[in-house]
Amino acid sequence: GQSLEQPSEVTAVEGAIVQINCTYQTSGFYGLSWYQQHDGGAPTFLSYNALDGLEETGRFSSFLSRSDSYGYLLLQELQMKDSASYFCAGAIDYKLSFGAGTTVTVRA
Amino acid sequence: DAGVIQSPRHEVTEMGQEVTLRCKPISGHNSLFWYRQTMMRGLELLIYFNNNVPIDDSGMPEDRFSAKMPNASFSTLKIQPSEPRDSAVYFCASTRGGEKLFFGSGTQLSVL
Repeated sequence: GQSLEQPSEVTAVEGAIVQINCTYQTSGFYGLSWYQQHDGGAPTFLSYNALDGLEETGRFSSFLSRSDSYGYLLLQELQMKDSASYFCAGAIDYKLSFGAGTTVTVRA
Repeated sequence: DAGVIQSPRHEVTEMGQEVTLRCKPISGHNSLFWYRQTMMRGLELLIYFNNNVPIDDSGMPEDRFSAKMPNASFSTLKIQPSEPRDSAVYFCASTRGGEKLFFGSGTQLSVL
């Protein structure tokens, strides 16, 4: 089976940097994805790492280390609109399993 | 593109009633997923279709749940009979392949 662990919540101020870690335990796993979900909304795709290393998309970056079964999402220059839940997700074949999510609260 | 379209947005029903949730995937996407989200269990995959064929329904909680995809542009998730513990947000998602899933707005189901 698949198990993805991530912190339940993080609070930070506007302009700060937040790192959300995700560790996983699975065999046959390939790639780590990140999704954002605002309260009452649908999950939306942020990034995907198939290979080790850092992927940067604007203020958000995602990292993967397959040897360590570990990844993270880095949110830079935090804005109030970044307050949301962030999910890491791992796939075996077509089955995308989600972590429990990290609630990020951005304070003024 | 209109995105993944789900209906209804909200459904309130009484225990024992039949509930049908609907989903229209993005045109050209050949994979469709039904997820359920609750505070206790998070996002759970219920069933996956590829090219309209159910590939894996191991996530369907029990026989009260059934899903169909009669064509590439429509899928339904049916609960009969519904129970209070089925209360959740049900998401439909589609993809052309790969890791980027596009989610619909979800159906908030409340079974009283």
